[in-house]
Amino acid sequence: EVQLLESGGGLVQPGGSLRLSCAASGFTFSSYAMSWVRQAPGKGLEWVSAISGSGRNTYYADSLKGRFTISRDNSKNTLYLQMNSLRAEDTAVYYCAKDLNLIAVAGDYFDYWGQGTLVTVSS
Amino acid sequence: DIQMTQSPSSLSASVGDRVTITCRATQSINSFLNWYQQKPGKAPKLLIYTASSLQSGVPSRFSGSGSGTDFTLTISSLQPEDFATYYCQQTYSTPPWTFGQGTKVEIK
Repeated sequence: EVQLLESGGGLVQPGGSLRLSCAASGFTFSSYAMSWVRQAPGKGLEWVSAISGSGRNTYYADSLKGRFTISRDNSKNTLYLQMNSLRAEDTAVYYCAKDLNLIAVAGDYFDYWGQGTLVTVSS
Repeated sequence: DIQMTQSPSSLSASVGDRVTITCRATQSINSFLNWYQQKPGKAPKLLIYTASSLQSGVPSRFSGSGSGTDFTLTISSLQPEDFATYYCQQTYSTPPWTFGQGTKVEIK
């Protein structure tokens, strides 16, 4: 059974940093690209970032302007999202999601999602 | 970036109704369009991929159609468990990928 378990969320002050983790099980982690998707309170879904199965290819939403870094440790079956210079508008539930393919390509979709972890940016 | 616009933003319907949600892209995305369902406090769930393919385990009352810039999600006979918010997502080419703003289906 595929399981994705996010952790690392919490309350952080504006300008601060946070690292989210997503522990994966039930599938060959290194064979699939992974993504982060976030959802601000009461708002819609926003794709944040993706990373290929090897970790060599990374992609980001333009709105992040270099503040976030996605990475993965295939030996630990874990996906990460390092978030720096956090702003109030980064407050959201952050989901990790498993992609269909090894690399993020046209026609991809998210077939499994974690339960999400809440990040609150506030003073 | 490709922008996705869903309509309507919300709708009220009764059990048994046929429901149609549309999604429009700002440029052609071929058939690289997915649909997700999200219930309050839960993660999204994949319903339809590449515009018209039904994800395993999803009831056949859900269907998708379209290509290019205009797409449709149809629920042929709305069931109580279908009251949720629905999102389209384009995965045309490599990321960035984008979601529509969502359509909330409420009980009439």
